[in-house]
Amino acid sequence: YELTQQVSVSVALGQTARITCGGSNIGLKNVHWYQQKAGQAPVLVIFRDKNRPTGIPERFSGSNSGNTATLTITRAQVGDEADYYCQLWETNPVFGGGTRLTVL
Amino acid sequence: ELMESGGGLVHPGGSLRLSCTASGFTFKNFAMNWVRQAPGKGLQWVSSISGSGRRTFVADSVQGRFTVSRDNSNNIFFLQMNSLTAEDTAFYYCAKDHEPGNMYWYFDLWGRGTLVSVSS
Repeated sequence: YELTQQVSVSVALGQTARITCGGSNIGLKNVHWYQQKAGQAPVLVIFRDKNRPTGIPERFSGSNSGNTATLTITRAQVGDEADYYCQLWETNPVFGGGTRLTVL
Repeated sequence: ELMESGGGLVHPGGSLRLSCTASGFTFKNFAMNWVRQAPGKGLQWVSSISGSGRRTFVADSVQGRFTVSRDNSNNIFFLQMNSLTAEDTAFYYCAKDHEPGNMYWYFDLWGRGTLVSVSS
């Protein structure tokens, strides 16, 4: 099973970033999102499509339908700059290739 | 908290055993996982083990070479890596399943990673 992510996304400071994850009928699966800042371990920011772990700001939200899952970051901050990975389980855990978010 | 150890430089064909020590949660209740990341590349799942240790899973790319195990009495689990190749060069992270009980296949706590370099 293959997950397709944009290589990079740029967003102006304070605006909304949308990072997508494409896959066949992905809307039928549970999608999870991780944030990985430079030199650090990944952090779970969204699980099961739209749920935020404790400590993750409300600015992070997720949706999943059809062939696309989306991570939305509102009021983007410089601290949100990172690589973002989608992930699901399909026989085994599968990760997308990652999207680098730049906040301008 | 999770803390990996055991990484280092190894020759092709060599072996390493990675360890991951856990604290701050009831270790035996959670499946545990290994995920790797080649330098400058994306994340790749490597292996998982159930809370009891009775069920283990490894990626096709390491099947027959890597083995996962755990010691619940000491809150530690392992990745035994044999017949290493240059393609195994990566940071190896241990990661905890988000929910207790069954295997849920997504990860809410990660270690800082340990680097495995395979080179002659």
